[in-house]
Amino acid sequence: GQNIDQPTEMTATEGAIVQINCTYQTSGFNGLFWYQQHAGEAPTFLSYNVLDGLEEKGRFSSFLSRSKGYSYLLLKELHMKDSASYLCAVRDHTGGGNKLTFGTGTQLKVEL
Amino acid sequence: DGGITQSPKYLFRKEGQNVTLSCEQNLNHDAMYWYRQDPGQGLRLIYYSQIVNDFQKGDIAEGYSVSREKKESFPLTVTSAQKNPTAFYLCASSPQAGGVNEQFFGPGTRLTVL
Repeated sequence: GQNIDQPTEMTATEGAIVQINCTYQTSGFNGLFWYQQHAGEAPTFLSYNVLDGLEEKGRFSSFLSRSKGYSYLLLKELHMKDSASYLCAVRDHTGGGNKLTFGTGTQLKVEL
Repeated sequence: DGGITQSPKYLFRKEGQNVTLSCEQNLNHDAMYWYRQDPGQGLRLIYYSQIVNDFQKGDIAEGYSVSREKKESFPLTVTSAQKNPTAFYLCASSPQAGGVNEQFFGPGTRLTVL
């Protein structure tokens, strides 16, 4: 099975930087995804890591260390609209295909 | 526009009734998925299908059933055997395995069983 841990809640200030951590345990790692989900809406894809290192995409970056079972999502120049839940999801080889296991999500609140 | 549609957005049913949630995609994706989300929890996989006429149980399949007769459609039936069916249900699709191939989600159906 898999175990994915991420903080339940975080608060940050508009314009600041926030880092959301995710740790995981899996037997057949095959990629890690970050999704953003606003309340009552569908998750939307933010980033993907399968090799160690940093992937940068505008204000969002994601880092992966496979040996440590660790990832983080970095959000820069925070906007109020970034207030949402951020979901970490791990894909593994078992079961085949593109099956993901999601963490419980980190609820980010951006304040003035 | 390509995308995934789920209908209706809100659904109310009486306890003991079966109900079917629709999910349609025109992205030409091979794989489709059903998740359930409860307040304060992450997404939990109910069923998934990697190809037409084939599907597998996810982590919480009890009380649910699916079919995959067409590539575009993956309906989910919530049966009376599901003990706590009130939840937010999300359908997703993706190209087949490999590479990024992220899952694209529909807008969701919020089911309330009275």
